[in-house]
Amino acid sequence: DIQMTQSPSSVSASVGDRVTITCRATQGINNWLAWYQQKPGKAPKLLIDTVSILQSGVPSRFSGSGSGTHFTLTISSLQPEDFATYYCQQANSFPYTFGQGTKLEIK
Amino acid sequence: EVQLVESGGGLVQPGRSLRLSCTASGFTFGDYAMGWVRQAPGKGLEWVGFITSKTYGGATDYAASVKGRFSISRDDSKSIAYLQMSSLRAEDTAVYYCTRLKLTRTHFDFWGQGTLVTVSS
Repeated sequence: DIQMTQSPSSVSASVGDRVTITCRATQGINNWLAWYQQKPGKAPKLLIDTVSILQSGVPSRFSGSGSGTHFTLTISSLQPEDFATYYCQQANSFPYTFGQGTKLEIK
Repeated sequence: EVQLVESGGGLVQPGRSLRLSCTASGFTFGDYAMGWVRQAPGKGLEWVGFITSKTYGGATDYAASVKGRFSISRDDSKSIAYLQMSSLRAEDTAVYYCTRLKLTRTHFDFWGQGTLVTVSS
């Protein structure tokens, strides 16, 4: 199975900050990498798929990059509604696997 | 508007069975693979399994933790996906989300609100 490891597990930041979350895979995943946002008590929401494709309606302050086994999600200027938990997910091979999550908290 | 609505969750004793339903609307259900993802209380996301569209044979695949105990099926005439769970264990306690997969059958582009399954005596 491909393991996905996110770092950091949690981060505190302020409105307006730039934040980067990293996701590493134990083997190459051919860019089948997505990012999800989950707020407490809610279902996850797909933000980005295939490394860098922003979903419709997702603000342009979110961006994804990377290749091979190393990927990043960047939020260029944090807004109050961005404080949530973020998960990466690989879809290169079954079983599809998620990272353990990164909780983004208000400083 | 795409909507996925799960039902069938609740409290069940260890070893018993439960079937979850996911009723879809707002898209051509038969064109898409459907999946289930669960989240244990306070924990992260775990892929449970999925079923392809009939175009791809309605094939299924499952996480090792549920293989042989859970099965996914679909009724395209009713736009419903099912998750049949048997031999339930305490560690199956989680919120179960129904998901639609993108046409590439890779990422989960729409999610239901989730239904809680609690396995306890």
